[in-house]
Amino acid sequence: SQKIEQNSEALNIQEGKTATLTCNYTNYSPAYLQWYRQDPGRGPVFLLLIRENEKEKRKERLKVTFDTTLKQSLFHITASQPADSATYLCALDPRGNTGKLIFGQGTTLQVKP
Amino acid sequence: KAGVTQTPRYLIKTRGQQVTLSCSPISGHRSVSWYQQTPGQGLQFLFEYFSETQRNKGNFPGRFSGRQFSNSRSEMNVSTLELGDSALYLCASRVQGAREEKLFFGSGTQLSVL
Repeated sequence: SQKIEQNSEALNIQEGKTATLTCNYTNYSPAYLQWYRQDPGRGPVFLLLIRENEKEKRKERLKVTFDTTLKQSLFHITASQPADSATYLCALDPRGNTGKLIFGQGTTLQVKP
Repeated sequence: KAGVTQTPRYLIKTRGQQVTLSCSPISGHRSVSWYQQTPGQGLQFLFEYFSETQRNKGNFPGRFSGRQFSNSRSEMNVSTLELGDSALYLCASRVQGAREEKLFFGSGTQLSVL
């Protein structure tokens, strides 16, 4: 069956460290994968998109990798800050370029000062 | 530019009632998608509309329906409400075009069914 999985346990790290979140998928061949951030009581906010022909993408303190052989994406936040505390969701579009995204359950990140 | 606007923000209904939720997309966005978010199931796709036509549908019963108007605004309706329909309902819009895959979400409507 098709699945998209993220670390189900919350991730607690110290301010200034690098947070690494994992997204694994099975039985999909997505052309790209997206990462969103969600704060309590709010809708998800788009962060980064990485395409199948891209190994890595960066935006300020964020970095995403995409390994289509392992069927895995890693999301890194370097020099983490308490303001980075949120739930991070990965999502893929099975058919490409539609509004139908399949989301992982999300990983909650807590950055302690 | 204003973001995606959803109304109402909160709703309390009782079982058996019906409810209509509204979504105004970002100006110029013609695609509107709806998602249901619950603690147990996470974010699940309900349907997508583009140019007043439903383009994609998720695995939800027929009690869940939607529509889109000529100005791209969208509504979703849930009839014969059940306790399990309690959730955050999120609307998302996008430009719809090559390499424009990201979604812009509203803050959602929190529906409680008693």
